[in-house]
Amino acid sequence: DAGVIQSPRHEVTEMGQEVTLRCKPISGHDYLFWYRQTMMRGLELLIYFNNNVPIDDSGMPEDRFSAKMPNASFSTLKIQPSEPRDSAVYFCASSLGSTGTGPNEQFFGPGTRLTVL
Amino acid sequence: TQLLEQSPQFLSIQEGENLTVYCNSSSVFSSLQWYRQEPGEGPVLLVTVVTGGEVKKLKRLTFQFGDARKDSSLHITAAQPGDTGLYLCAGEVGSSASKIIFGSGTRLSIRP
Repeated sequence: DAGVIQSPRHEVTEMGQEVTLRCKPISGHDYLFWYRQTMMRGLELLIYFNNNVPIDDSGMPEDRFSAKMPNASFSTLKIQPSEPRDSAVYFCASSLGSTGTGPNEQFFGPGTRLTVL
Repeated sequence: TQLLEQSPQFLSIQEGENLTVYCNSSSVFSSLQWYRQEPGEGPVLLVTVVTGGEVKKLKRLTFQFGDARKDSSLHITAAQPGDTGLYLCAGEVGSSASKIIFGSGTRLSIRP
């Protein structure tokens, strides 16, 4: 299995531009998570989906952020317009549902390092 | 709001030494996980503990879940350079058993 695939690996953009991050989860996984990691705030959950449906988006910082999952094998996280404070590493992770003995293992992609100038 | 505080934030020790990393909260968690993250990569799960007082061993790593399920520790015996990385604890939150929140992390460096 190829694991969770994210693209691009690096993105440098200017303030005000639209940014789209992409994720392909592991086949068969029914949960997909988007996280943001910074030195100051650590690893924060932004939103997660179950069977392509958004379940909890309480971590999405503001309306400039949006996420979609049009099918089981693809998700996007969009920032429009981007700001310098959005600079971070964005991770996508996927997992199977819980088996009742704690949360299942989340498998993380390699991340997208976003720099907004 | 449930928070997980990890200590120390940074730790640099010599190869062969032992160390303990702590994960603390004022909240009770149904389960806790430990992940390790290497530079340029995503976190990788090491262990899940679900019962208060539970101890799990993974080679030289020993994980313990506090009796009250508010804290956890990770002890590494005879640390090796390959243990270098960012160690993150994560607690299960909500009722879905799929959402977790991550601790602040401990950045560990093992000097040869």
